[in-house]
Amino acid sequence: AQTVTQSQPEMSVQEAETVTLSCTYDTSENNYYLFWYKQPPSRQMILVIRQEAYKQQNATENRFSVNFQKAAKSFSLKISDSQLGDTAMYFCAFITHGSSNTGKLIFGQGTTLQVKP
Amino acid sequence: GAGVSQSPSNKVTEKGKDVELRCDPISGHTALYWYRQSLGQGLEFLIYFQGNSAPDKSGLPSDRFSAERTGGSVSTLTIQRTQQEDSAVYLCASSLGGAGIGYTFGSGTRLTVV
Repeated sequence: AQTVTQSQPEMSVQEAETVTLSCTYDTSENNYYLFWYKQPPSRQMILVIRQEAYKQQNATENRFSVNFQKAAKSFSLKISDSQLGDTAMYFCAFITHGSSNTGKLIFGQGTTLQVKP
Repeated sequence: GAGVSQSPSNKVTEKGKDVELRCDPISGHTALYWYRQSLGQGLEFLIYFQGNSAPDKSGLPSDRFSAERTGGSVSTLTIQRTQQEDSAVYLCASSLGGAGIGYTFGSGTRLTVV
């Protein structure tokens, strides 16, 4: 079975500090893509960052970076210099890239992050 | 359009009534997905469209749920004889296709069954 586990239902961080959100996943496929999505109270899901499993280099997007450990099937998100606008629910997700792939994203249960002033 | 548009934004319906939820994807996006998000929970896959065909309907929870897509564009998710457990946010997403691109999501329809 393909699953995503986010073990931290809720987290908080002080503004300007750094926070790391955890994610582990399980798949027997070798080729896949990993994503972090942000869902603010507006409900709009926003793509934060993506990582190709075949790439060893960790992806970065401005203040957002990942620590991708393929052998451990771990994909954590680090947010540096946290801002109040980062307050949201964060979802880890992956999608496999095989012949039977329907493009279905598998999501974790989410981590609610609160940035405090 | 510039983004994925869903309507209505909010819907309150009485138990037993039928509802239709609409999704207008980004122009040219061939893949379209429906997900359900119950309060404080993750996203549960419902159905996937490639063009007007639905190769994966495995997530539809019961035969009260159905969906169609016409013209390779607009999709409608229909829930018949709504139940209170159907209350959730229904999210639609579209994609150009290809596993690595990721989706663009709409803002969802919050359905409340009373």
